[in-house]
Amino acid sequence: SQQGEEDPQALSIQEGENATMNCSYKTSINNLQWYRQNSGRGLVHLILIRSNEREKHSGRLRVTLDTSKKSSSLLITASRAADTASYFCATDAGGANSKLTFGKGITLSVRP
Amino acid sequence: EAQVTQNPRYLITVTGKKLTVTCSQNMNHEYMSWYRQDPGLGLRQIYYSMNVEVTDKGDVPEGYKVSRKEKRNFPLILESPSPNQTSLYFCASSPWDADTQYFGPGTRLTVL
Repeated sequence: SQQGEEDPQALSIQEGENATMNCSYKTSINNLQWYRQNSGRGLVHLILIRSNEREKHSGRLRVTLDTSKKSSSLLITASRAADTASYFCATDAGGANSKLTFGKGITLSVRP
Repeated sequence: EAQVTQNPRYLITVTGKKLTVTCSQNMNHEYMSWYRQDPGLGLRQIYYSMNVEVTDKGDVPEGYKVSRKEKRNFPLILESPSPNQTSLYFCASSPWDADTQYFGPGTRLTVL
């Protein structure tokens, strides 16, 4: 069953601007992860935030997690044309199966 | 180079003709999983394996089989493919004690 729901579905920005993508989920999680997928390629892990964390940074990426609202946001600062891709949030409920439950994805276009 | 490989990358077949999509990882990961990606649905888990000879169903296992005879390999078998199995398939792996998953490049399957 789908857990993460990303918002917006598509985002188009100018190079240099910041991109903010949101994800909401329904049930308790152990951690939440963001992945990037370039067109027709495999998914690449970007960043993971655990349920007891509120904010994490990795380079130009900043992710926040609000477990009371069951939501997360991914901020990409100073976007580049190479950031053009689909972005997915994935939740891990923990337990024996390390299953990631993915949202439908956000298509980000960064115009040069 | 640490990677997950899938073969074939592209396959067009006909209804009912058995096929196997191979997945191999060279990172000595215990956990492996198969997902399918369909437009508007995100990624959904088909089967997963916690270790050799240990496999279990994901969210959409109908019409698929898997085996895990060796740690590095996790083939996906479609005994009698049908057009609704036309999709983009991803294999992923991770160590037992890690949360992030490493994805293969994908296999685009078309069943006519």
